[in-house]
Amino acid sequence: DVKVTQSSRYLVKRTGEKVFLECVQDMDHENMFWYRQDPGLGLRLIYFSYDVKMKEKGDIPEGYSVSREKKERFSLILESASTNQTSMYLCASTLGEGLYNEQFFGPGTRLTVL
Amino acid sequence: SQQGEEDPQALSIQEGENATMNCSYKTSINNLQWYRQNSGRGLVHLILIRSNEREKHSGRLRVTLDTSKKSSSLLITASRAADTASYFCATDPGTASKLTFGTGTRLQVTL
Repeated sequence: DVKVTQSSRYLVKRTGEKVFLECVQDMDHENMFWYRQDPGLGLRLIYFSYDVKMKEKGDIPEGYSVSREKKERFSLILESASTNQTSMYLCASTLGEGLYNEQFFGPGTRLTVL
Repeated sequence: SQQGEEDPQALSIQEGENATMNCSYKTSINNLQWYRQNSGRGLVHLILIRSNEREKHSGRLRVTLDTSKKSSSLLITASRAADTASYFCATDPGTASKLTFGTGTRLQVTL
């Protein structure tokens, strides 16, 4: 079974702190994604990566950056956390482009910024 | 932007009844997928239907796709309390491996 793990289930940070959210997948997937999920807005794509050291902006990249130094690990960074970044963050991975582009999700990190 | 829009936003049924959720989208797709999310957890892939398919079954799930109307429906037959979750459709344009998710339907199945 594909496993996608996220470093924390719950996280509480203060405004202005630098926050790291880690995601690791164990199936040698090419593509990895970071989403945030807010009530009434569904999932919105923040950043994604096709390969090591490659990154692409999603729909809402402002206030975030990412790092992919190894194929299995994709990190989301909040350089200076703000209260409007309080949300559920979901990481996902997928093998690659093709007909069976099923995404595998981690359990999510619920981040609260005070 | 959210391409997929699910309808209804919330649905409450009794165990044993069928649940139908609809998804509409705006641009052409390579395939459409349905995911389930239990409260406070990650999403789990349920079923994928390609743009050249009209209907697909998987256990108690039945998905239809009408590309002329840019819509899809998910039917869960003989629902169980364990089916209580949020259900999302996601559209795949066939490029860049990106999916666009809808806002979801919250299904509540009561005993």
